[in-house]
Amino acid sequence: QLQLQESGPGLVKPSETLSLTCTVSGGSISSSSYYWGWIRQPPGKGLEWIGSIYYSGSTYYNPSLKSRVTISVDTSKNQFSLKLSSVTAADTAVYYCARLLERLGAFDIWGQGTMVTVSS
Amino acid sequence: SSELTQDPAVSVALGQTVRITCQGDSLRSYYASWYQQKPGQAPVLVIYGKNNRPSGIPDRFSGSSSGNTASLTITGAQAEDEADYYCNSRDSSGTVVFGGGTKLTVL
Repeated sequence: QLQLQESGPGLVKPSETLSLTCTVSGGSISSSSYYWGWIRQPPGKGLEWIGSIYYSGSTYYNPSLKSRVTISVDTSKNQFSLKLSSVTAADTAVYYCARLLERLGAFDIWGQGTMVTVSS
Repeated sequence: SSELTQDPAVSVALGQTVRITCQGDSLRSYYASWYQQKPGQAPVLVIYGKNNRPSGIPDRFSGSSSGNTASLTITGAQAEDEADYYCNSRDSSGTVVFGGGTKLTVL
């Protein structure tokens, strides 16, 4: 069945750029029915949507993060990626990638999540 | 931007029925989805659309909506239902928003 797996550095220095990749296996990222999204969860806090992308490259971003976020897709590798610039300690969180039923706004399949700590 | 409001905590006696609510303007036009999250685990979708359960989700979970309020109902709560529950929806601009989450305690 479809699986998603996040990968990337677990430690990022303040002011630098956080970069994560989500690899989709067991299915195609080019499915016309779905978007692909990033969600994060700071320790002990709730879920925050970061942004979503379609296989064509069309994107939606959280307005509060839009100036710092770039989400891209590589259909040849069945991957999509997140870049978050100028990070601070407030960006420390578990970062999840997930498949999005865009019409319904429902994330139906999630990766296991990866913890990213922003610290010098 | 849109906001979704949830009660921070709710409790239910074992075997009883509990309703968890989510309020927001976007819910007048778009369905809420509901997620269960247990400690140290990724969220799991339990309800989406009008009242749809993904494969493997017990039928004691159901969803409903009225006006700007969506509800997740657990009929006959079990000990394993103790978890955090989050709602989310999309809005007309295509952005997605999550509620703040509700911690469910099964007594």
